[in-house]
Amino acid sequence: GQSLEQPSEVTAVEGAIVQINCTYQTSGFYGLSWYQQHDGGAPTFLSYNALDGLEETGRFSSFLSRSDSYGYLLLQELQMKDSASYFCAVPTGTASKLTFGTGTRLQVTL
Amino acid sequence: GAVVSQHPSWVICKSGTSVKIECRSLDFQATTMFWYRQFPKQSLMLMATSNEGSKATYEQGVEKDKFLINHASLTLSTLTVTSAHPEDSSFYICSASPQSPDTQYFGPGTRLTVL
Repeated sequence: GQSLEQPSEVTAVEGAIVQINCTYQTSGFYGLSWYQQHDGGAPTFLSYNALDGLEETGRFSSFLSRSDSYGYLLLQELQMKDSASYFCAVPTGTASKLTFGTGTRLQVTL
Repeated sequence: GAVVSQHPSWVICKSGTSVKIECRSLDFQATTMFWYRQFPKQSLMLMATSNEGSKATYEQGVEKDKFLINHASLTLSTLTVTSAHPEDSSFYICSASPQSPDTQYFGPGTRLTVL
């Protein structure tokens, strides 16, 4: 089976940097994705790491270490609009269905 | 970019009735779509994989006779919650991928409330 663990909540101030961790146990591994979901909304794709290392996309970066079964999402220059839930996810099987992590609720404060 | 729509965005129904939710890929064709369910403050749980022209594949623990899935065309999948009960109240979200399975695009979701 698949399991992905994340911290349940993180709080940070506007302008700060926050890291959201994801540790996973999977029977097969193709890569790690990150999604953002605002309350009442649909998840939106943020990033995907198939290989070890850091991928940077604007204020957001994602890191993967396959040997450690670990990844993180790094959010810089936090803004109030970044307050949302963040999920790591892995595609599984030939259909590439997604298994989502437990989710981290990020609260950005003034 | 790829757009996925869902209809309705919310529905309230009486216990025992059936509810149909539509998921459409608006600007691409999708041979495979996915249906998820999300309870408040919880993660998304995959319910089933919808395959165009063939039977859906259900995840363990999901009743296929209760959650009927039809994928009649390359742009439309429907989820019917049959004989709905209050415990079926949830946020139902579909997704599809236009090309790479690494990136999925999600519909806006349907909030179902069963009274």
